[in-house]
Amino acid sequence: NAGVMQNPRHLVRRRGQEARLRCSPMKGHSHVYWYRQLPEEGLKFMVYLQKENIIDESGMPKERFSAEFPKEGPSILRIQQVVRGDSAAYFCASSPRRGSYNEQFFGPGTRLTVL
Amino acid sequence: GENVEQHPSTLSVQEGDSAVIKCTYSDSASNYFPWYKQELGKRPQLIIDIRSNVGEKKDQRIAVTLNKTAKHFSLHITETQPEDSAVYFCAASSDDMRFGAGTRLTVKP
Repeated sequence: NAGVMQNPRHLVRRRGQEARLRCSPMKGHSHVYWYRQLPEEGLKFMVYLQKENIIDESGMPKERFSAEFPKEGPSILRIQQVVRGDSAAYFCASSPRRGSYNEQFFGPGTRLTVL
Repeated sequence: GENVEQHPSTLSVQEGDSAVIKCTYSDSASNYFPWYKQELGKRPQLIIDIRSNVGEKKDQRIAVTLNKTAKHFSLHITETQPEDSAVYFCAASSDDMRFGAGTRLTVKP
C-alpha cells in the first residue's frame, strides 16, 4: 500500500510565477490536509478537503492561495504570483475519515524555494 | 477552534537521561492526542497516540499521559539515545486536528 505521495519534492520558482503542488492520498483515504512549515518552525494548518469539497480553509491566506481535490486525480495546492515569503516546506496528510481517532499520514513534502 | 500549546521549544539532554514534553489544549471536545516525530528533512511520523478514555499509554521507552480535567498531556522518553534527536509535535483532535509548535530535542552522546 503506497503511502501519501507528493510531487514535486523540490520546486524552484521566481517571484511572480505560479507554484502547483500535488498530493495523492493513501489508497482508501478521502480526506486531505495541507500544512506549511517554515524553516525551524511548526506545522501550520492551511486547508482540509474531501473529494470535490473544501471543508475548512481557515488557515489559508485569502489571496494567491487555492486548493482543490477533484473527483479524479490528486489534490492540488496552487500559489499564484509567489513571493519570497512563500518559501517553505508544504506537507499534505491524508486520513480515511474525519473525526476522532484518525491518524493523519504525511507525505514527504514539497520544498518550495522562491528566488 | 482548537489551540494547542507545546513546551519547551527546545530541549537538550544527555544520553540515557529522560525527556519530557508537555502540551495543553483548549477544546474540551478533543479526544485524540497523537505525537509525531520529525527527523531533519523528513516527514512527520506518528510515534504514539492516546485516546481520551485512557490516562496513560506506554510503548517501550515512550509513554504518554493525559489529564483531561486540566487539558494537558505529556510525552515521556526514557533512556534517551542520540537517534531520538528530532522535532516532536503534539496534536489534539476532535473533528479537526491541530498541532503544537514543536519541540526540538537534542540528545548528546
